[in-house]
Amino acid sequence: EADIYQTPRYLVIGTGKKITLECSQTMGHDKMYWYQQDPGMELHLIHYSYGVNSTEKGDLSSESTVSRIRTEHFPLTLESARPSHTSQYLCASWRGEGEQYFGPGTRLTVT
Amino acid sequence: TQLLEQSPQFLSIQEGENLTVYCNSSSVFSSLQWYRQEPGEGPVLLVTVVTGGEVKKLKRLTFQFGDARKDSSLHITAAQTGDTGLYLCAGGSSGGSNYKLTFGKGTLLTVNP
Repeated sequence: EADIYQTPRYLVIGTGKKITLECSQTMGHDKMYWYQQDPGMELHLIHYSYGVNSTEKGDLSSESTVSRIRTEHFPLTLESARPSHTSQYLCASWRGEGEQYFGPGTRLTVT
Repeated sequence: TQLLEQSPQFLSIQEGENLTVYCNSSSVFSSLQWYRQEPGEGPVLLVTVVTGGEVKKLKRLTFQFGDARKDSSLHITAAQTGDTGLYLCAGGSSGGSNYKLTFGKGTLLTVNP
């Protein structure tokens, strides 16, 4: 059973607002990931981290930023939300042999 | 850039039928995972295959990794409505780091009662 949590599950927010999507895992995994996914579509890697104070941009360009101050916590921040940011955001941590545990996701709608 | 092509993109079948979905690439992967995702949820890992030619069974699901580790298939026997979902394959980079996965676009399966 994966112990990885995301909050909020759903968020509707107006254009220009700053938002932070939370992701926490209790498994002690060093490697964590953020993906963006439109409904029924593929996952796009937007950020990843190999450990505390280590963050990298993923394959898909994103206006979001991330931080990794503690092993268990990997928040994603949008300084000024836009309608183009409307999507599902999935957080994952790495279990080994490439296997990733995913959180339940945050469905973001920017109006 | 490594790419994974999944086919078919959409599949709608009746309960009790068998089906196979495919995951193909021109690249070699050190491991390959299959995930199932339900609407509004995160993907859930079904299986990992790491050896060329490997076959794994999970109840009515059979997974195969190609001999050259470039392709994989998922076969479901006697599909049930609970099998409905988006099936994603993901390849771990050959060369050992496996820190990032390459995901296919997925096969959206609908099993009708």
